[in-house]
Amino acid sequence: ELKVEQNPLFLSMQEGKNYTIYCNYSTTSDRLYWYRQDPGKSLESLFVLLSNGAVKQEGRLMASLDTKARLSTLHITAAVHDLSATYFCAVRLRATDSWGKFQFGAGTQVVVTP
Amino acid sequence: DTEVTQTPKHLVMGMTNKKSLKCEQHMGHRAMYWYKQKAKKPPELMFVYSYEKLSINESVPSRFSPECPNSSLLNLHLHALQPEDSALYLCASSHVDREGIQYFGAGTRLSVL
Repeated sequence: ELKVEQNPLFLSMQEGKNYTIYCNYSTTSDRLYWYRQDPGKSLESLFVLLSNGAVKQEGRLMASLDTKARLSTLHITAAVHDLSATYFCAVRLRATDSWGKFQFGAGTQVVVTP
Repeated sequence: DTEVTQTPKHLVMGMTNKKSLKCEQHMGHRAMYWYKQKAKKPPELMFVYSYEKLSINESVPSRFSPECPNSSLLNLHLHALQPEDSALYLCASSHVDREGIQYFGAGTRLSVL
C-alpha cells in the first residue's frame, strides 16, 4: 500500500523567512507532484518531479526529489502573504497494468503573517 | 485551454434522489479522474478512466456509478446517497504518461440531506 506522509501539517510563517515542507512516500514511484489549494477552491499544479535529484523552481517555491530516500521537499524562500494556502504532495504508484493510482499527502496548511 | 468544467457547482439531494455530476475537458487528455474531498482533508481517489475505460475503482460503494461516454466527458451518477457522502467532488484530467499533470475542475459541492 502506498503511503504518503507530509509534515508539518500546519505551518505558521513569518513574512520574509524561509521554510520547508517535507513529503515522504513508502513505495517506488515514478512521479511526484506538488499542488496548491486555496480555501474553497480547487487544486492548482505547482511542480512535477520525475527523476532522482530533480529540482524545479518557480518564484519563491523550489521543489526537489530524492528517490532513494523517497523524500521530496518544497522550500519557500522569503515567505509572503500570497503564499498562504494548503500545499499537497501526491505520488503516482508505479504500475505496469494501470495508469492513475495517485495518493495525496495529508496537506500542509500554510499561514503567512507579517 | 487548460480548463476542466464541472457542473453543477452546488447540489443538494435527498437520500432517495438520483442525480448526476458532469465533467468536461477539451485538452485531449485521455485520463480522467473522480476525487472526493472532505473539509480539511486531501482528495481521495475514487475512479480513473484511461482511454475511456475504467482502470481504477478504489472500492467505491455502488451508489456511485461513473461513466465516460467519450474522451471529453466524464459523469458520476449518484443514487441513494448517505449524509456522509456530503463532500466536494473534484474531476481532473491528464495525459496518460508524459508528466501526467492533473488539471482539476472547480468541483461540485454536494450536500446529502
